[in-house]
Amino acid sequence: DIQMTQSPSSLSASVGDRVTITCRASQSISSYLNWYQQKPGKAPKLLIYAASSLQSGVPSRFSGSGSGTDFTLTISSLQPEDFATYYCQQSYSTPYFGPGTKVDIK
Amino acid sequence: QVQLVQSGAEVKKPGASVKVSCKASGYTFTGYYMHWVRQAPGQGLEWMGWINPNSGGTNYAQKFQGRVTMTRDTSISTAYMELSRLRSDDTAVYYCARDRVAVAGILSYWGQGTLVTVSS
Repeated sequence: DIQMTQSPSSLSASVGDRVTITCRASQSISSYLNWYQQKPGKAPKLLIYAASSLQSGVPSRFSGSGSGTDFTLTISSLQPEDFATYYCQQSYSTPYFGPGTKVDIK
Repeated sequence: QVQLVQSGAEVKKPGASVKVSCKASGYTFTGYYMHWVRQAPGQGLEWMGWINPNSGGTNYAQKFQGRVTMTRDTSISTAYMELSRLRSDDTAVYYCARDRVAVAGILSYWGQGTLVTVSS
């Protein structure tokens, strides 16, 4: 099975900050990498699919990049509604999720 | 608009089974795979498997093989996930999630979640 890791596991940031979250796969997954945002008590929400494609309705401050084994999610200017937990997930094979990155207020 | 509405919270005893439903609307039910994902309290997301609503074919995560059964009723656009031989560590919120396009492993629409509590 392909294992997914994320770093950092948590981070503190301020409104307006640029935030980058990294996801790594244990073997190459090409561009089969998706990002989700989850707020407490809510279902996850798809943000980015196929490594860099923005899901419809998602603000353009979110972007994704990478291929192979290393991927990043970037929030260009953090907004109050972006404080949440972010998960990567590979869809190359069995669609396992990464452990998540919690973004909270500094 | 696409909607996935799940059944209500359940409380079960260890060793029992639970069956969670997911009623779909706003799209052609048989056109997109349905996935099931769970989340234990304070933990991350765990993929359990998918069902092809058109054929009924399934693919389960190895961890749940032999304990999970995913079915569907196309006449009422509803998918089901049944988990048997429940243990306390099966306490979690269970989500259904529709694939973005047919089958791609991209979970673009999610149900509201169903809390299953396993307690003696």
